[in-house]
Amino acid sequence: AQTVTQSQPEMSVQEAETVTLSCTYDTSENNYYLFWYKQPPSRQMILVIRQEAYKQQNATENRFSVNFQKAAKSFSLKISDSQLGDTAMYFCAFINYGGSQGNLIFGKGTKLSVKP
Amino acid sequence: KAGVTQTPRYLIKTRGQQVTLSCSPISGHRSVSWYQQTPGQGLQFLFEYFSETQRNKGNFPGRFSGRQFSNSRSEMNVSTLELGDSALYLCASSALASGGASGELFFGEGSRLTVL
Repeated sequence: AQTVTQSQPEMSVQEAETVTLSCTYDTSENNYYLFWYKQPPSRQMILVIRQEAYKQQNATENRFSVNFQKAAKSFSLKISDSQLGDTAMYFCAFINYGGSQGNLIFGKGTKLSVKP
Repeated sequence: KAGVTQTPRYLIKTRGQQVTLSCSPISGHRSVSWYQQTPGQGLQFLFEYFSETQRNKGNFPGRFSGRQFSNSRSEMNVSTLELGDSALYLCASSALASGGASGELFFGEGSRLTVL
């Protein structure tokens, strides 16, 4: 079975500092996509960053970057210069590309609090 | 472009009743997926519809059902409600089935169901 594990249920960070959220996944497929989604309190979930498994280069979106280790099946999210607006639940997610199972599989989330 | 719209946003039901939730996807999106979000289980995939056909189904009992209309709007129904059905129900849309090559989904704000 394909699974996504986020080992840190809650984390906190001081404003302007850097924080790394961990994610590991399990799949026998070779082609897939990995995502980090952000769910602010009482607001809709939005995509933060996406990584294609066939790309060795780590994805970057402004203050957000990932460390993708395909052999280790690890996909961590680094948030630099943390801002109060980064306070949210962060979900790591995985989807096969072209596989028979097309649904997005989520981890259980990490609740990140950015403190002033 | 309007985002994914879910109605109602909040509702309270009692055990044994049934409920219908509605989702209007982003204009032009033909795929609609439904997820159940609870603090204990995280996000769990319910089902995906594409062009009025159910493409994928998660591990939920038959009390959970859905459908998609020709305009891509989708409804999900839960019959004989149980206390454990209390959750945030999220709808997500994408232009292609299962998010297509990118796997990216666009989420609504959710319908929060409380079962008493």
